[in-house]
Formats: sequence, structure tokens, C-alpha cells
Amino acid sequence: GAVVSQHPSRVICKSGTSVKIECRSLDFQATTMFWYRQFPKQSLMLMATSNEGSKATYEQGVEKDKFLINHASLTLSTLTVTSAHPEDSSFYICSARPARGGPQHFGDGTRLSIL
Amino acid sequence: GDSVTQMEGPVTLSEEAFLTINCTYTATGYPSLFWYVQYPGEGLQLLLKATKADDKGSNKGFEATYRKETTSFHLEKGSVQVSDSAVYFCALMSAGGGTSYGKLTFGQGTILTVHP
Repeated sequence: GAVVSQHPSRVICKSGTSVKIECRSLDFQATTMFWYRQFPKQSLMLMATSNEGSKATYEQGVEKDKFLINHASLTLSTLTVTSAHPEDSSFYICSARPARGGPQHFGDGTRLSIL
Repeated sequence: GDSVTQMEGPVTLSEEAFLTINCTYTATGYPSLFWYVQYPGEGLQLLLKATKADDKGSNKGFEATYRKETTSFHLEKGSVQVSDSAVYFCALMSAGGGTSYGKLTFGQGTILTVHP
């Protein structure tokens, strides 16, 4: 079945550093990928929609300069949390929508902890 | 805008008990409806879906029927197992086009714990 690989699965770093999270569709092409943020015991909040070859569409209230998204190919999107601070600590999940159609497939998430 | 409301948890059941998790939605047009399951420390897995009114999605003993008249998509399972313990999310995908296409709106999630 369709697989989405998200890396790293867990990262711990100091405040002020930048962290890059990768989302890859392993056996299908994805023209659109989505980035979500999930707080403990809460639902997923859509942060942005990433479209291959164009700028990402951010949801209201999400800082574009804070969360940089690049979708350089049909199988890879990256989310960079710039100058991360403790309040950015969260579980980040990506999903990919196959170009051929069908439901989104989710990565296993990245647990980000900023000290 | 679109919204999804799930019954609040947590839900605690004994093995082989009957499960219902309520889900209602608000959306324009005819959205597609989904149930996702999240096991501890993992991402989301699609459990089942329905794309039009009166469709019944089913998988692994779970079922949900798309009820347009009551704007509901309740999840049911006749006999739960310990391995079903997870967080369950109801979601809808807007029928609209443009930048809203493909976006999922999630409910708040329901934690299910099944005891032996």
C-alpha cells in the first residue's frame, strides 16, 4: 500500500536552532502534501498545504517565516522550523495526496522537543 | 466553515463490548467522510471512508454510515479487542475546489481504551 515516510521521528534541540522535517511519498507521486500540528490530547491542526513547484498555502495564524515549506519534487516536502523555541514543541505530522487520486496517506509524525 | 464534532472521551470498555463513537459534521455541499485511527506515538491510519449519502464504510469490524439527514458518521464495532485501544478521529474533506480541495477537517479525537 501507499507509504509516507517522515523523518526524523524524534528530535530534541536547543532553543534558537532550526529543525528540518522531511516527508516522502515512497511509492507514489504526490502533487499535494499537508502539514499538521498536534498538541497533546488534541486534534490535528492544519498548518499549510504544500504544492509541488509552487508556494505553500498557509492557514490563518501560521507564521510563514517561522515554518518554511519546500515541495521541490513530487515525492518530497520539507518543513523547517526556524529559530525554534519551547512553544514550538509539538507533534508534527505530514500527509500526501496521491496525484492519481484517492485518500491522503499520513506519515508517522515527528516529535519535536525544544529545550 | 467546515467543522467536525466527536463525542468526548475517553471511552473505556471491556473486551467484546459494543462500541459507538458519535460524529457529526457541518459542511457545505457533499463532503467525503473519514475515520482515522492513531496508535500511540504514530501517525494516522485511514480506518474507513464514505463519499456519498447512505454509503457505509467498513474495515476490521468497524462500520460507519454517511447520514446526510442527520449530518452524522458514527463509528461502531460489535466486539472490541484490546488491540483496538487508540485515538479515533472523525474527519471530512470538503467537496469544494480551489485551495480548499483535499483539506481534511478533523474532530477533536476520542481516546478508546479496551481492558481484557
